[in-house]
Amino acid sequence: KQEVTQIPAALSVPEGENLVLNCSFTDSAIYNLQWFRQDPGKGLTSLLLIQSSQREQTSGRLNASLDKSSGRSTLYIAASQPGDSATYLCAGYSMYSGGGADGLTFGKGTHLIIQP
Amino acid sequence: DAGITQSPRHKVTETGTPVTLRCHQTENHRYMYWYRQDPGHGLRLIHYSYGVKDTDKGEVSDGYSVSRSKTEDFLLTLESATSSQTSVYFCAISGTSGGESEAQYFGPGTRLTVL
Repeated sequence: KQEVTQIPAALSVPEGENLVLNCSFTDSAIYNLQWFRQDPGKGLTSLLLIQSSQREQTSGRLNASLDKSSGRSTLYIAASQPGDSATYLCAGYSMYSGGGADGLTFGKGTHLIIQP
Repeated sequence: DAGITQSPRHKVTETGTPVTLRCHQTENHRYMYWYRQDPGHGLRLIHYSYGVKDTDKGEVSDGYSVSRSKTEDFLLTLESATSSQTSVYFCAISGTSGGESEAQYFGPGTRLTVL
């Protein structure tokens, strides 16, 4: 059974800093890994998707990497802004033989605060 | 915006009553999912659908049933609601071309309170 862990659980940094959020997973038979942000009381917004054959994806100030062999993914945020304050979730998609439980396994998130 | 709506957005009900949540999508995605989000547990998969009338159980399916009679709608039913089913429920979709290992896009959520 896939397990996903995110460290740290919370992070507070001043505006302008570059930062890294970490995600680890236990099952290397992962099809893809997806990063989301969630604002309080809102749904999830997809940020980046990395397929298992890829090593990284970039979108604007965001860069996500995937290392299946070590079971790790990182989300790099450059030049952080107060608008980046949110909870960031990573989730891995794994297929299970025999059916059932096909879907994303989520970490519990990193609550990020960017101080103006 | 992935064209996903959920209804109702908020609901308060009493223990033992049946509840149906609806997820509607406008972009012909093949795969649809129901998740619940709880403090301390994160998001967990309840059920998913890989086509019309094709569904399967997720990690926390006990007490829930689903139906998908047409591509655009995926219904989640709590046959007899319990307080432990108080949660925020999210619908997600993926796969315009049939590949399940594609990005998932989430709806705005339904906040359900069972008294």
